Amino acid sequence: DAKTTQPPSMDCAEGRAANLPCNHSTISGNEYVYWYRQIHSQGPQYIIHGLKNNETNEMASLIITEDRKSSTLILPHATLRDTAVYYCIVRGNSGGSNYKLTFGKGTLLTVNP
Amino acid sequence: GAGVSQSPSNKVTEKGKDVELRCDPISGHTALYWYRQSLGQGLEFLIYFQGNSAPDKSGLPSDRFSAERTGGSVSTLTIQRTQQEDSAVYLCASSFGLAGGPETQYFGPGTRLLVL
Repeated sequence: DAKTTQPPSMDCAEGRAANLPCNHSTISGNEYVYWYRQIHSQGPQYIIHGLKNNETNEMASLIITEDRKSSTLILPHATLRDTAVYYCIVRGNSGGSNYKLTFGKGTLLTVNP
Repeated sequence: GAGVSQSPSNKVTEKGKDVELRCDPISGHTALYWYRQSLGQGLEFLIYFQGNSAPDKSGLPSDRFSAERTGGSVSTLTIQRTQQEDSAVYLCASSFGLAGGPETQYFGPGTRLLVL
């Protein structure tokens, strides 16, 4: 899997948009960008994934640059419950050992009242 | 719908005892994965099931660790003669198990194991 780089921490005011960046400059053509988060003492939670088009679901939006070397996860209206470590990973299709998820250090997002 | 469930949520045991951890995957998911996460550490892959078969057990740390899956659903992870270094959060995840596409893994809440 391609390596990703994320800032170690970010702060966001409650009710504002949280924009979490991720660099994945060595991503290959068939690799997807996935985002998970882990709230303290809970299991990882899937947020969203995409290949090259921007994606949106009920939790977040994922903006992937045209060259696919970076992406941004957007939480449109952050709440205190969104305080968590956010992990950006890139993964290929199933096959080989792509099922082995590995998380880097992620970004600790702290949403402040 | 119901997500992945794990039991117990917490387990405290004495060194040398055996423990059994249970995972109920999302209904219809044929693939199941066990990971563990030590304090402040990343995910450590343990084992992968496709149906009842385990094509990849490469992450099991020692022969004290074993896992099985029956009926293509529930899985149990057994740790025999527990050691203090086994203390960690044991996470289970499941996915549809379809070949050729990205497989989103959905995690359970984990079992926090403390070996005294």
